[in-house]
Amino acid sequence: DIQMTQSPSSLSASIGDRVTITCRASQNISHYLHWYQQQPGKAPRLLIYSASTLQRGVPSRFRGSGSGTDFTLTISSLQPEDFTTYHCQQSYSALGDVFGQGTKLEIK
Amino acid sequence: EVRLVQSRAEVKKPGDFLKISCKASGYRFIGNWIGWVRQMPGKGLEWMGIIYPDDSDARYSPSFQGQVIISVDKSTNTAYLQWRSLKASDTAMYFCARQGDIAGPPFDYWGQGTLVTVSS
Repeated sequence: DIQMTQSPSSLSASIGDRVTITCRASQNISHYLHWYQQQPGKAPRLLIYSASTLQRGVPSRFRGSGSGTDFTLTISSLQPEDFTTYHCQQSYSALGDVFGQGTKLEIK
Repeated sequence: EVRLVQSRAEVKKPGDFLKISCKASGYRFIGNWIGWVRQMPGKGLEWMGIIYPDDSDARYSPSFQGQVIISVDKSTNTAYLQWRSLKASDTAMYFCARQGDIAGPPFDYWGQGTLVTVSS
């Protein structure tokens, strides 16, 4: 079974900062890793799919990278609406963890 | 425009039956897998299972196998999630989501969520 470890669980930053969130898989998942943003009380929104492809309509300050077991989501020049929760998801296998534990991004 | 519209919030008692729905529009319903995701209060997302509407092929997470049933009605473009006997621990927000036609594939469209509260 695949284990997904997302870190950090919470992160404080300021508007205009650059931040990085990491997702690590316990085995090789190739590029089958996606990132979502979730505002409080709302459904998740797809940001990045297949590790590094920006979903239509998502601002270019969001960037995904990685392959195999280690992946990162980088947000450059944080905007006020970016302070919310981010989730990673692997679509390689339904056995084990599909989603990471989530990262809450807060204003410093 | 692709839309997934879920049924309203439910308040139930332990042992009750419940079936919630997810009505799709704006795309060819039978051509995309639809999944269900649980989010317990203050917690992360959990993948419950997925179904292919064209042939009702359903796959479940081992954590939810035998606990819920995922089904579809092709005539109304609607997916369902049901429990035969609810438990207090089923209290959560439940999202349906469409698996996209893009590489991965990720969940590219989501319903607004259905809050299920189970309390005696």
